[in-house]
Amino acid sequence: GAGVSQSPSNKVTEKGKDVELRCDPISGHTALYWYRQRLGQGLEFLIYFQGNSAPDKSGLPSDRFSAERTGESVSTLTIQRTQQEDSAVYLCASTSPGARAPEAFFGQGTRLTVV
Amino acid sequence: GNSVTQMEGPVTLSEEAFLTINCTYTATGYPSLFWYVQYPGEGLQLLLKATKADDKGSNKGFEATYRKETTSFHLEKGSVQVSDSAVYFCALRRGGTSYGKLTFGQGTILTVHP
Repeated sequence: GAGVSQSPSNKVTEKGKDVELRCDPISGHTALYWYRQRLGQGLEFLIYFQGNSAPDKSGLPSDRFSAERTGESVSTLTIQRTQQEDSAVYLCASTSPGARAPEAFFGQGTRLTVV
Repeated sequence: GNSVTQMEGPVTLSEEAFLTINCTYTATGYPSLFWYVQYPGEGLQLLLKATKADDKGSNKGFEATYRKETTSFHLEKGSVQVSDSAVYFCALRRGGTSYGKLTFGQGTILTVHP
């Protein structure tokens, strides 16, 4: 596609429910990132996929969070048993291979509200 | 580990004023440095970047110089416009490879009044 696509754009869920957030990166981009942006705060790194290498999961805040990516395509971020503190905008970004300092292209994000 | 620290915001300026947003970093090796901008209602987008010491990134009248001796990458613009109102994020990626985690600062909100 033309850009990084995330769905849904908005999600309201009840506390304790599971949610799945989807990211479609730009075609050909080998690296994919997930970040969390709480209201009025900066970007919190969650997880990073690079090709077929093992993902860097060092930013996942708890075992309720997990993410998958099939090859160099779609990624899903799953949050189990959601809590109110999970409310945030979840951003996905992808970068192309080969450049020394590739630009990260961001999606519009999924705004998650846990009530 | 790697980290980025930005000046506290928000920053409020009048149109045509001079802008500086400070950014300092901690990293091993020789990271690449970036400024990203988030305009109201839009996604983050790259504003400028620098890949080695003394490099100057520039775009849309904004500039930032990679200063290894002070581990800084301050963003400057000589004359801001109302349309520059946005959130600005400083970021780094570890050096020596084109791949690696992007680490962001906390962001600085800029508001420019007419």
